[in-house]
Amino acid sequence: AQKVTQAQTEISVVEKEDVTLDCVYETRDTTYYLFWYKQPPSGELVFLIRRNSFDEQNEISGRYSWNFQKSTSSFNFTITASQVVDSAVYFCALMAGNNRKLIWGLGTSLAVNP
Amino acid sequence: DTGVSQDPRHKITKRGQNVTFRCDPISEHNRLYWYRQTLGQGPEFLTYFQNEAQLEKSRLLSDRFSAERPKGSFSTLEIQRTEQGDSAMYLCASSLGGTFNTEAFFGQGTRLTVV
Repeated sequence: AQKVTQAQTEISVVEKEDVTLDCVYETRDTTYYLFWYKQPPSGELVFLIRRNSFDEQNEISGRYSWNFQKSTSSFNFTITASQVVDSAVYFCALMAGNNRKLIWGLGTSLAVNP
Repeated sequence: DTGVSQDPRHKITKRGQNVTFRCDPISEHNRLYWYRQTLGQGPEFLTYFQNEAQLEKSRLLSDRFSAERPKGSFSTLEIQRTEQGDSAMYLCASSLGGTFNTEAFFGQGTRLTVV
Protein backbone atom coordinates (compact mmCIF):
# COMPACT_ATOMS: atom_id res chain seq x y z
CA ALA A 1 0.00 0.00 0.00
CA GLN A 2 1.10 3.54 -0.65
CA LYS A 3 0.37 6.18 1.90
CA VAL A 4 1.49 9.63 3.00
CA THR A 5 1.01 10.82 6.56
CA GLN A 6 1.26 14.41 7.66
CA ALA A 7 0.66 14.16 11.37
CA GLN A 8 0.50 17.89 11.99
CA THR A 9 -2.90 19.23 11.04
CA GLU A 10 -2.27 22.84 12.00
CA ILE A 11 0.79 24.78 13.09
CA SER A 12 0.87 28.36 14.27
CA VAL A 13 4.10 30.30 14.64
CA VAL A 14 5.20 33.87 15.04
CA GLU A 15 7.05 35.52 12.21
CA LYS A 16 10.79 34.79 12.08
CA GLU A 17 10.43 31.47 13.86
CA ASP A 18 11.71 28.34 12.16
CA VAL A 19 9.11 25.65 11.51
CA THR A 20 9.36 22.04 10.36
CA LEU A 21 6.54 20.21 8.62
CA ASP A 22 6.67 16.45 8.91
CA CYS A 23 5.95 13.92 6.19
CA VAL A 24 6.11 10.15 6.52
CA TYR A 25 5.49 7.91 3.53
CA GLU A 26 4.87 4.22 2.90
CA THR A 27 5.63 2.29 -0.25
CA ARG A 28 7.10 -1.07 -1.20
CA ASP A 29 8.48 0.25 -4.46
CA THR A 30 12.17 0.97 -4.62
CA THR A 31 11.69 3.71 -7.19
CA TYR A 32 9.52 6.57 -6.09
CA TYR A 33 9.28 10.34 -6.05
CA LEU A 34 8.35 12.65 -3.21
CA PHE A 35 6.93 16.13 -3.63
CA TRP A 36 5.95 19.13 -1.58
CA TYR A 37 3.27 21.54 -2.75
CA LYS A 38 2.03 24.78 -1.23
CA GLN A 39 -1.63 25.77 -1.40
CA PRO A 40 -2.18 29.41 -0.45
CA PRO A 41 -5.67 30.76 0.24
CA SER A 42 -6.10 31.44 -3.48
CA GLY A 43 -6.32 27.67 -3.92
CA GLU A 44 -3.70 26.96 -6.58
CA LEU A 45 -1.25 24.19 -5.76
CA VAL A 46 2.28 25.45 -6.18
CA PHE A 47 5.07 22.96 -6.76
CA LEU A 48 7.99 23.35 -4.34
CA ILE A 49 10.27 20.36 -4.73
CA ARG A 50 10.63 16.85 -6.14
CA ARG A 51 13.02 14.26 -4.75
CA ASN A 52 13.61 10.79 -6.18
CA SER A 53 14.30 7.73 -4.04
CA PHE A 54 17.89 7.40 -5.21
CA ASP A 55 18.89 10.88 -4.17
CA GLU A 56 19.08 11.34 -0.43
CA GLN A 57 20.91 14.62 -0.57
CA ASN A 58 19.19 17.28 1.40
CA GLU A 59 18.30 20.44 -0.43
CA ILE A 60 18.17 24.08 0.48
CA SER A 61 16.43 26.76 -1.51
CA GLY A 62 16.53 30.13 0.16
CA ARG A 63 14.59 29.85 3.41
CA TYR A 64 13.30 26.40 2.49
CA SER A 65 15.11 23.15 3.19
CA TRP A 66 14.17 19.51 2.90
CA ASN A 67 15.47 16.53 4.85
CA PHE A 68 14.99 13.17 3.12
CA GLN A 69 15.65 10.13 5.34
CA LYS A 70 14.98 6.76 3.71
CA SER A 71 15.77 4.96 6.97
CA THR A 72 12.74 6.55 8.62
CA SER A 73 10.68 7.03 5.42
CA SER A 74 10.48 10.73 6.08
CA PHE A 75 10.72 13.81 3.91
CA ASN A 76 10.47 16.79 6.22
CA PHE A 77 10.27 20.41 5.17
CA THR A 78 11.72 23.29 7.17
CA ILE A 79 11.03 26.97 6.70
CA THR A 80 13.65 29.18 8.29
CA ALA A 81 12.74 32.66 9.52
CA SER A 82 9.10 32.24 8.57
CA GLN A 83 7.14 35.10 7.04
CA VAL A 84 3.44 35.90 6.92
CA VAL A 85 3.44 35.06 3.19
CA ASP A 86 4.36 31.48 4.10
CA SER A 87 0.88 31.00 5.55
CA ALA A 88 -0.72 28.24 3.51
CA VAL A 89 -1.57 24.57 3.50
CA TYR A 90 1.43 22.43 2.64
CA PHE A 91 1.00 19.01 1.09
CA CYS A 92 3.45 16.16 0.85
CA ALA A 93 2.83 13.70 -1.99
CA LEU A 94 4.22 10.40 -3.28
CA MET A 95 4.42 8.88 -6.76
CA ALA A 96 5.72 5.31 -6.65
CA GLY A 97 6.53 2.47 -9.00
CA ASN A 98 4.49 2.44 -12.18
CA ASN A 99 1.84 4.65 -10.66
CA ARG A 100 1.45 7.94 -12.45
CA LYS A 101 -0.86 9.47 -9.88
CA LEU A 102 0.11 11.38 -6.77
CA ILE A 103 -0.81 10.01 -3.37
CA TRP A 104 -1.35 12.95 -1.04
CA GLY A 105 -1.17 13.58 2.65
CA LEU A 106 -3.97 15.50 4.30
CA GLY A 107 -1.88 18.64 4.45
CA THR A 108 -0.55 20.85 7.23
CA SER A 109 -2.09 24.27 7.63
CA LEU A 110 0.62 26.75 8.59
CA ALA A 111 -0.30 30.11 10.05
CA VAL A 112 2.51 32.62 10.43
CA ASN A 113 1.44 35.48 12.62
CA PRO A 114 3.04 38.92 12.64
CA ASP B 1 0.29 32.58 -20.20
CA THR B 2 2.40 29.48 -19.87
CA GLY B 3 0.63 27.81 -16.94
CA VAL B 4 -2.26 25.37 -16.69
CA SER B 5 -5.56 27.11 -17.32
CA GLN B 6 -8.97 25.97 -16.10
CA ASP B 7 -12.38 27.28 -17.02
CA PRO B 8 -14.66 28.22 -15.40
CA ARG B 9 -13.16 29.17 -12.03
CA HIS B 10 -16.48 28.84 -10.29
CA LYS B 11 -19.67 26.99 -11.17
CA ILE B 12 -22.93 26.88 -9.28
CA THR B 13 -25.45 24.40 -10.57
CA LYS B 14 -28.70 22.83 -9.51
CA ARG B 15 -28.80 19.20 -8.54
CA GLY B 16 -29.49 17.03 -11.55
CA GLN B 17 -27.91 19.36 -14.10
CA ASN B 18 -24.89 18.47 -16.21
CA VAL B 19 -21.68 20.47 -16.00
CA THR B 20 -18.51 20.52 -18.09
CA PHE B 21 -15.12 21.88 -17.13
CA ARG B 22 -12.19 22.62 -19.40
CA CYS B 23 -8.46 22.36 -18.79
CA ASP B 24 -5.69 23.68 -21.03
CA PRO B 25 -2.36 22.17 -19.99
CA ILE B 26 1.10 23.56 -20.48
CA SER B 27 1.62 23.19 -24.21
CA GLU B 28 4.53 20.73 -24.30
CA HIS B 29 3.14 18.51 -21.52
CA ASN B 30 1.80 15.17 -22.69
CA ARG B 31 0.34 14.04 -19.36
CA LEU B 32 -2.83 15.54 -17.97
CA TYR B 33 -4.47 14.75 -14.65
CA TRP B 34 -7.77 15.51 -12.99
CA TYR B 35 -8.03 15.60 -9.22
CA ARG B 36 -10.83 16.54 -6.85
CA GLN B 37 -10.34 18.27 -3.53
CA THR B 38 -12.85 18.81 -0.75
CA LEU B 39 -12.39 21.10 2.23
CA GLY B 40 -9.71 19.96 4.63
CA GLN B 41 -8.57 17.10 2.43
CA GLY B 42 -5.73 16.48 0.07
CA PRO B 43 -6.43 16.16 -3.64
CA GLU B 44 -8.01 12.90 -4.73
CA PHE B 45 -7.04 11.34 -8.06
CA LEU B 46 -9.78 11.05 -10.67
CA THR B 47 -8.14 10.22 -13.99
CA TYR B 48 -5.09 10.74 -16.15
CA PHE B 49 -4.24 10.97 -19.85
CA GLN B 50 -1.06 10.37 -21.76
CA ASN B 51 -1.59 12.36 -24.93
CA GLU B 52 -5.17 11.52 -25.98
CA ALA B 53 -5.30 8.12 -24.25
CA GLN B 54 -7.07 7.88 -20.91
CA LEU B 55 -4.77 5.46 -19.11
CA GLU B 56 -6.24 5.33 -15.64
CA LYS B 57 -9.53 6.14 -14.03
CA SER B 58 -10.21 6.05 -10.31
CA ARG B 59 -12.71 3.52 -9.04
CA LEU B 60 -14.14 6.39 -7.07
CA LEU B 61 -15.36 7.90 -10.30
CA SER B 62 -18.93 6.93 -10.97
CA ASP B 63 -20.42 6.49 -14.42
CA ARG B 64 -21.71 10.04 -14.19
CA PHE B 65 -18.17 11.33 -14.69
CA SER B 66 -16.45 11.32 -18.05
CA ALA B 67 -13.27 12.94 -19.26
CA GLU B 68 -11.85 13.43 -22.72
CA ARG B 69 -8.70 14.76 -24.28
CA PRO B 70 -9.58 14.50 -27.97
CA LYS B 71 -6.42 15.81 -29.61
CA GLY B 72 -4.00 15.34 -26.78
CA SER B 73 -4.16 19.01 -25.91
CA PHE B 74 -7.02 20.40 -23.82
CA SER B 75 -9.27 18.18 -21.74
CA THR B 76 -12.86 18.30 -20.58
CA LEU B 77 -14.43 16.78 -17.50
CA GLU B 78 -18.18 16.30 -17.57
CA ILE B 79 -20.39 15.45 -14.63
CA GLN B 80 -23.89 14.31 -15.49
CA ARG B 81 -26.88 14.53 -13.13
CA THR B 82 -24.90 16.37 -10.50
CA GLU B 83 -25.39 15.56 -6.83
CA GLN B 84 -24.62 17.63 -3.77
CA GLY B 85 -21.75 15.31 -2.98
CA ASP B 86 -20.05 16.43 -6.19
CA SER B 87 -19.43 19.85 -4.67
CA ALA B 88 -15.67 20.23 -4.58
CA MET B 89 -12.69 21.89 -6.20
CA TYR B 90 -11.76 20.15 -9.44
CA LEU B 91 -8.06 20.46 -10.18
CA CYS B 92 -6.27 19.86 -13.44
CA ALA B 93 -2.53 19.29 -13.67
CA SER B 94 -0.07 18.55 -16.43
CA SER B 95 3.42 17.14 -16.61
CA LEU B 96 6.03 15.85 -19.02
CA GLY B 97 5.97 12.09 -19.40
CA GLY B 98 9.05 10.04 -20.05
CA THR B 99 11.60 7.87 -18.33
CA PHE B 100 11.48 9.91 -15.18
CA ASN B 101 8.34 11.17 -13.58
CA THR B 102 8.37 14.90 -13.42
CA GLU B 103 6.50 17.30 -11.27
CA ALA B 104 2.91 18.15 -12.09
CA PHE B 105 1.84 21.77 -12.44
CA PHE B 106 -1.64 22.62 -11.35
CA GLY B 107 -4.23 25.05 -12.57
CA GLN B 108 -6.23 27.26 -10.25
CA GLY B 109 -9.10 24.81 -10.17
CA THR B 110 -12.82 24.95 -10.82
CA ARG B 111 -14.92 25.23 -7.69
CA LEU B 112 -18.23 23.44 -8.16
CA THR B 113 -21.18 24.05 -5.88
CA VAL B 114 -24.26 21.90 -6.36
CA VAL B 115 -27.37 23.36 -4.74
